[in-house]
Amino acid sequence: AQTVTQSQPEMSVQEAETVTLSCTYDTSESDYYLFWYKQPPSRQMILVIRQEAYKQQNATENRFSVNFQKAAKSFSLKISDSQLGDAAMYFCAYRCALGGSEKLVFGKGTKLTVNP
Amino acid sequence: DAGVTQSPTHLIKTRGQHVTLRCSPISGHKSVSWYQQVLGQGPQFIFQYYEKEERGRGNFPDRFSARQFPNYSSELNVNALLLGDSALYLCASSTGLAGPWEQFFGPGTRLTVL
Repeated sequence: AQTVTQSQPEMSVQEAETVTLSCTYDTSESDYYLFWYKQPPSRQMILVIRQEAYKQQNATENRFSVNFQKAAKSFSLKISDSQLGDAAMYFCAYRCALGGSEKLVFGKGTKLTVNP
Repeated sequence: DAGVTQSPTHLIKTRGQHVTLRCSPISGHKSVSWYQQVLGQGPQFIFQYYEKEERGRGNFPDRFSARQFPNYSSELNVNALLLGDSALYLCASSTGLAGPWEQFFGPGTRLTVL
């Protein structure tokens, strides 16, 4: 079964510091996409970063980067120079393309608090 | 360009009633997916529609149904509402074409069942 596990229900970081959010997943597919989404209290799900499984190079987007370990099925998100606006729920997700449909399978999320 | 839009923003219903939620995808996107997000959980996949046909269905009862219209907008219908149907319902659209894949989410509809 395709599953995504986020083992940290809550994390906190000081403003300007670095924090890493963990994610592991399970899939039988060989080619897939992984995502980190941010969901602030406004509820809008915002894409933070995307990783294609066939790419060995870790994706980066400004202050956000991932550590993608395909063999270990691990996909962690590093936020550098944390800002107050980074406070939100963060969801790790995997795109499942089995059975003819394309769907995102989400983890339960990590609530990130940024302390001034 | 406008993003994914959903209506209504909030909705309050009582048990046993029926509800219809609406979604308009980003212009040019032919695939629409629906997700249910219960408080404190990640979103769960309900349906995917592409070119007006159902492509996939999650583990939800037959009380949940959906359709996609010729302009690619979509409706999610839930019959015989239960308290457990209270959730944020998210709509997401994607191009449906090959290439880098991404789903863009709408702001959601908050459904409360009393």
